[in-house]
Amino acid sequence: DTGVSQDPRHKITKRGQNVTFRCDPISEHNRLYWYRQTLGQGPEFLTYFQNEAQLEKSRLLSDRFSAERPKGSFSTLEIQRTEQGDSAMYLCASSFSGTGEMEAFFGQGTRLTVV
Amino acid sequence: LAKTTQPISMDSYEGQEVNITCSHNNIATNDYITWYQQFPSQGPRFIIQGYKTKVTNEVASLFIPADRKSSTLSLPRVSLSDTAVYYCLVGDMNTNAGKSTFGDGTTLTVKP
Repeated sequence: DTGVSQDPRHKITKRGQNVTFRCDPISEHNRLYWYRQTLGQGPEFLTYFQNEAQLEKSRLLSDRFSAERPKGSFSTLEIQRTEQGDSAMYLCASSFSGTGEMEAFFGQGTRLTVV
Repeated sequence: LAKTTQPISMDSYEGQEVNITCSHNNIATNDYITWYQQFPSQGPRFIIQGYKTKVTNEVASLFIPADRKSSTLSLPRVSLSDTAVYYCLVGDMNTNAGKSTFGDGTTLTVKP
């Protein structure tokens, strides 16, 4: 397993267009997280899944954002009607749930630029 | 929400020990303290996690006092490749990922 994979690595889109990002987690991990990171700030939580169930959503996740994880494997994050304020790095992470210590593995992110 | 406060930046020299402290005054009983390292244009990478007292692994040590209102990441004998942003994360991603918050991180610059 090569770790968490995100595609594409970079995306430039015009304002108002829809974009979709994909995340492939580490295969045995049942939890998958999406974060957004802007320059100079730490990652901000957006949502997470356990298997195919979306268990938590941040209020940052407006109705223009939707995330899915069909069959509990890969996940997609779609942004509709993009705005310039959506420009950021979108990070995906995965982990195996359990008690005690929990290590999340992050992908390299998708950098979105809305022009 | 357990907010964290870290120094914005720190400088060090190769071979020195670096200690980065994170304040988290309203940490909850079930919260763990986790430190991540991030290089430019990459996702964060797990360094170490602890609940109380001291934890040590092959790359770092984590010191947590009894009141758990702060924690200190200790990097022994840093090298140029340790130049990165270091984030303190407080929370329990297993049960409440949305309340596990990254701060703005500490930019560590290691000089030759």
